Amino acid sequence: GNSVTQMEGPVTLSEEAFLTINCTYTATGYPSLFWYVQYPGEGLQLLLKATKADDKGSNKGFEATYRKETTSFHLEKGSVQVSDSAVYFCALGLIYNQGGKLIFGQGTELSVKP
Amino acid sequence: DAGITQSPRYKITETGRQVTLMCHQTWSHSYMFWYRQDLGHGLRLIYYSAAADITDKGEVPDGYVVSRSKTENFPLTLESATRSQTSVYFCASRANTGELFFGEGSRLTVL
Repeated sequence: GNSVTQMEGPVTLSEEAFLTINCTYTATGYPSLFWYVQYPGEGLQLLLKATKADDKGSNKGFEATYRKETTSFHLEKGSVQVSDSAVYFCALGLIYNQGGKLIFGQGTELSVKP
Repeated sequence: DAGITQSPRYKITETGRQVTLMCHQTWSHSYMFWYRQDLGHGLRLIYYSAAADITDKGEVPDGYVVSRSKTENFPLTLESATRSQTSVYFCASRANTGELFFGEGSRLTVL
């Protein structure tokens, strides 16, 4: 079946540290891949996406590359800020699967300390 | 304002009562979704809709009913609430480019 596995949290970093959150997926077909961010008490916001192999999505200093050979979509940021503290969700979508629903990983909580 | 809005944001009810969570989007997206978010389970799809009057079950539909008489609205009803339905509920709509846009969520507590 289709699924997403993320590294477990919480992840605690100091400000300006390098961030990696691992995400691997299993899918039939050719999924699109997404990272969403959820701040406390809010809904999920799209952070970045990639729609085909070797695509790199980027936004607000975050990056992730769609690696078909390793079925991965790891999220990276070179220098995190306190304001990046949130829960991050990796997700895949298959346009012909249940309306293009997104299948989410469990989420990784990131806490950045000053 | 453009976007997707949910109401109520917070609701406390009792076991056995009927509860309806509302969802409204202004983009005219065809596809809409209801997810629930629970610790340890992540986000799970309850129901989705491809268009007005077209709905289908997701992973965890039991105990829920949906309708979609207009493209912009997608209400979720718990006909007889149970404690296991205490959760945060998110409505979403899908853009043609594949990403989902989420509302801010409805936090439901069933006593």
